[in-house]
Amino acid sequence: DAGITQSPRYKITETGRQVTLMCHQTWSHSYMFWYRQDLGHGLRLIYYSAAADITDKGEVPDGYVVSRSKTENFPLTLESATRSQTSVYFCASTGQYNQPQHFGDGTRLSIL
Amino acid sequence: DQQVKQNSPSLSVQEGRISILNCDYTNSMFDYFLWYKKYPAEGPTFLISISSIKDKNEDGRFTVFLNKSAKHLSLHIVPSQPGDSAVYFCAAQDAGNMLTFGGGTRLMVKP
Repeated sequence: DAGITQSPRYKITETGRQVTLMCHQTWSHSYMFWYRQDLGHGLRLIYYSAAADITDKGEVPDGYVVSRSKTENFPLTLESATRSQTSVYFCASTGQYNQPQHFGDGTRLSIL
Repeated sequence: DQQVKQNSPSLSVQEGRISILNCDYTNSMFDYFLWYKKYPAEGPTFLISISSIKDKNEDGRFTVFLNKSAKHLSLHIVPSQPGDSAVYFCAAQDAGNMLTFGGGTRLMVKP
């Protein structure tokens, strides 16, 4: 089915481990985004990408790494997970400026 | 400092009545505003948007109003239905195509 999918949906890991969250979209959208949702903060932008091989920092990028070798994929990596990175992570995409972003269903990440 | 604020964390409304959700922003460079609806364990779903060149946009039961001088927007839902119970996020976009979200308002529509 067309759309945007995130995997895994749930993940539990330990501090210091590396973990990668996957995001895949089938619309060939140029723009892709990673957000985290925490209580009282709404959604905050971690990283975004305007096209393949073009990425830039958002509001809360520390501790995260992204890559975009293909238009349809935008993985987010926590190189050494910390408890403060326990959150729900959402990926989104859009094709054009001033068009709504469409979101995946999220990954709930718990770091023990 | 939060550039987009939703000052009401929750709102309870009777079925059939109007729901009004409010949002304030501080950055005058925002030029596109959106409302998203979110159910538990799902991603936010786009609801309605408005460009800064307009002051009102309607889509069925949903209307968004923008008051640029007050840096305020609101979402009206008429009539409210139990299925509208969800968390609503307002978001504002700047020239970089990035969204800044408010903290959300949980709407509960009682039968």
